[in-house]
Parts: sequence; C-alpha cells; structure tokens
Amino acid sequence: SAVISQKPSRDICQRGTSLTIQCQVDSQVTMMFWYRQQPGQSLTLIATANQGSEATYESGFVIDKFPISRPNLTFSTLTVSNMSPEDSSIYLCSVERLPANTGELFFGEGSRLTVL
Amino acid sequence: GQNIDQPTEMTATEGAIVQINCTYQTSGFNGLFWYQQHAGEAPTFLSYNVLDGLEEKGRFSSFLSRSKGYSYLLLKELQMKDSASYLCAVRDQDSNYQLIWGAGTKLIIKP
Repeated sequence: SAVISQKPSRDICQRGTSLTIQCQVDSQVTMMFWYRQQPGQSLTLIATANQGSEATYESGFVIDKFPISRPNLTFSTLTVSNMSPEDSSIYLCSVERLPANTGELFFGEGSRLTVL
Repeated sequence: GQNIDQPTEMTATEGAIVQINCTYQTSGFNGLFWYQQHAGEAPTFLSYNVLDGLEEKGRFSSFLSRSKGYSYLLLKELQMKDSASYLCAVRDQDSNYQLIWGAGTKLIIKP
C-alpha cells in the first residue's frame, strides 16, 4: 500500500485567488493523478502528473487553470488558479498500486475547497 | 460514448444482504472496480473484475457480466460501518486505460 498525505485538508478561499494543494507519497511512483469530486458527483480526472515532463490534462481542464508541478517521484502540487465558486470541490491526489496498470488506486484524504 | 449508471441511494437493514448494481457502456472495457468511500474520506479499493463471474472477498462479493455490461456488489451481514458510498469504475483502454467513474451509490444502513 501507499501512504499519501495531502494538504491543506480544507480551506475557504476568496474568489479570484489561487490555492496550491500539496501531495506527498511515502514511496516513489511514476504517475500521480489529480481528481476532482464535486458534491454528489463522480470522480473526474483532472490530469496525470509525470515526473520530468508536463502533466497530461483531460478534456475540459487546462494548464492555465490547474498548473501542476512534479519535481520528483514522491511529490506533486496542483494549483487552482483564479478561483470561482464553481471550483468549490474536493480535490484528490492518487497513485496506482504497483505493479503498474492494475487500476487499483490509493487516494489521499482530499482537500476540500470552498470558494466564496 | 462512455457511461456508467448506478443507483443514487439505497437503504438496508443491519444484518441483511444488499446488492448494488452497476451498468456500463464503454468502447474498450478493460476491468471493473468497486471502491468504498465513507463520508469525508478518500475512496478505498474493494474489488476488481476483468473476467465474467463472481469474486468473493469476505462479506463482499463482486460479479461481472461483460456481455451485458453489468456488475453488482453484494454485501452480506451488513454492519453499521458499511454505511458509505460505493463507487463503480471501469477501466477503458480507449481512454489510455484511465478509470471512468460512476457517481456512486450512497448506502444507508438502519438498525
């Protein structure tokens, strides 16, 4: 198993500001995934963070709005930029159980953002 | 297109059995997963099916029929701690093997 630490666990933010969420894994992983989970809805993949290259974004998500850093194999950040109330959501970091490509994911506890 | 359907909410009694259904439509099916998510917590892995049939793991079992695009999660001897959301997810090889998630079924256990 993997232990994933995310912070902040929750925050209340003002419209127009930006917030960076940090994700730390206790082991080296190739890919880290960032998800969004809006109330009562399914998990939506925002992007896949690869070490040493740019993140791969899913349809509907762009780098200017959700810049991602992946400086090493155990750490990643997701920034939610120029926030609006529609960005209020839970943001989850996850990694895949090794061996890779099994589909089993470990999740961080999530960062619950409320934008006023 | 891709679509995953599961009931929004179900209620069951402690000690009973409940079956949570999931139907899916994907172009490149490559496995189906069930996750449990307690309120305010992260999802945790429950089961994985890639071949037709039943996979049993303690009180939980998961069934898959690929020809019908159908799966169910069976929970036996329900306990109050089983109150949670249960998420069905399908891996799609035509989407770079990413998981496509259902909206989840909120299971309420009553004494």
